[in-house]
Amino acid sequence: GAVVSQHPSRVICKSGTSVKIECRSLDFQATTMFWYRQFPKQSLMLMATSNEGSKATYEQGVEKDKFLINHASLTLSTLTVTSAHPEDSSFYICSARATSGGEGTQYFGPGTRLTVL
Amino acid sequence: EDKVVQSPLSLVVHEGDTVTLNCSYEVTNFRSLLWYKQEKKAPTFLFMLTSSGIEKKSGRLSSILDKKELFSILNITATQTGDSAIYLCAVGKNSGGSNYKLTFGKGTLLTVNP
Repeated sequence: GAVVSQHPSRVICKSGTSVKIECRSLDFQATTMFWYRQFPKQSLMLMATSNEGSKATYEQGVEKDKFLINHASLTLSTLTVTSAHPEDSSFYICSARATSGGEGTQYFGPGTRLTVL
Repeated sequence: EDKVVQSPLSLVVHEGDTVTLNCSYEVTNFRSLLWYKQEKKAPTFLFMLTSSGIEKKSGRLSSILDKKELFSILNITATQTGDSAIYLCAVGKNSGGSNYKLTFGKGTLLTVNP
């Protein structure tokens, strides 16, 4: 089956530093990748939609200069949290939609737990 | 503003019980409704529903969509402890061009006790 990996799975950093999270589709090509954030006992909130080779589309209220997204290839998208602060601590999940697929072919990564001290 | 509301937020049952999870929505440009199971990490896909009244079934799980009343239910019969998870409902909508996006509900935390 389709597999999406994320790295790292867990990261702890100091306030003010930048953190990069990688999302890879391992056995399929993904034209579109999505980045979500999930706070405890809350829903997955879409942050941005990332299309290969073009700029990401950010949801309202998400700062594009703070959450930098790069979708450089059909199998890799990265999210960089710049100048992280404690309020950025959250569970970040990516998902990838197969190039040839529809909504049902959106596969989720295992998530990255970010803790900012 | 798009809304996806799930109920109940949490549910505790005994093995063998049957449960019904609810999802109602208010979304413009509706395309589909999806159910996911989230255990410790990544949500895993269960069903995608696009048409009213057609039940989708997979083993002990089944789901149906009512596009007139804007809701869906997920049924789990003969529950097992391995069914314990958060069940997420998401609605897919058109978001410009050929793009779509998912709006998630908060999920229902199901606990199945032996």
